Amino acid sequence: GEDVEQSLFLSVREGDSSVINCTYTDSSSTYLYWYKQEPGAGLQLLTYIFSNMDMKQDQRLTVLLNKKDKHLSLRIADTQTGDSAIYFCAVASGGYNKLIFGAGTRLAVHP
Amino acid sequence: GAGVSQTPSNKVTEKGKYVELRCDPISGHTALYWYRQSLGQGPEFLIYFQGTGAADDSGLPNDRFFAVRPEGSVSTLKIQRTERGDSAVYLCASSPEGRLAGVNEQFFGPGTRLTVL
Repeated sequence: GEDVEQSLFLSVREGDSSVINCTYTDSSSTYLYWYKQEPGAGLQLLTYIFSNMDMKQDQRLTVLLNKKDKHLSLRIADTQTGDSAIYFCAVASGGYNKLIFGAGTRLAVHP
Repeated sequence: GAGVSQTPSNKVTEKGKYVELRCDPISGHTALYWYRQSLGQGPEFLIYFQGTGAADDSGLPNDRFFAVRPEGSVSTLKIQRTERGDSAVYLCASSPEGRLAGVNEQFFGPGTRLTVL
């Protein structure tokens, strides 16, 4: 079945850029997503990219997609302490309905 | 406006008991999803409703799990003969329309934490 892999932990200094990486197996995925989960809060959609795009920029967020290598990344510029959270990569499967999530990358931002 | 709500927020039960978990989606959203998130893992798809019907229940782990959405709004996830391995956070999400091509943003509720002793 479909699989999504992420590294589990990333630590960065405040003000630096963070890059969270994800690989997936389902080449038919048309939309790929990044969700953020903070303690006590629900999953929040951060950004997404359509499979015919290589890059998408949204304020401090940049998403890069390499379809050949089935690799997705999320870059957060000027990382702040408020960015500390778990970030999930997800790909759409089964006709856009089912999301397949990675295990999440815990981002820790330190002064 | 109101987001997706789930009740109860926490449920503790004993092995072998029956539980029901409720989800109130965003008003007007026709698509509803249930996911299960175990500790340290990402959400795992369980079932997808389009209106009143279950369009994809391929993620339900076994026949102890069942979900309904009789009027196309509120949904209930039912677990019979609970086992300790069922302990997890059960997440509900809704989206305006599940089938149309498009970004299909799913809006998630806060989840119900189920603990089976």
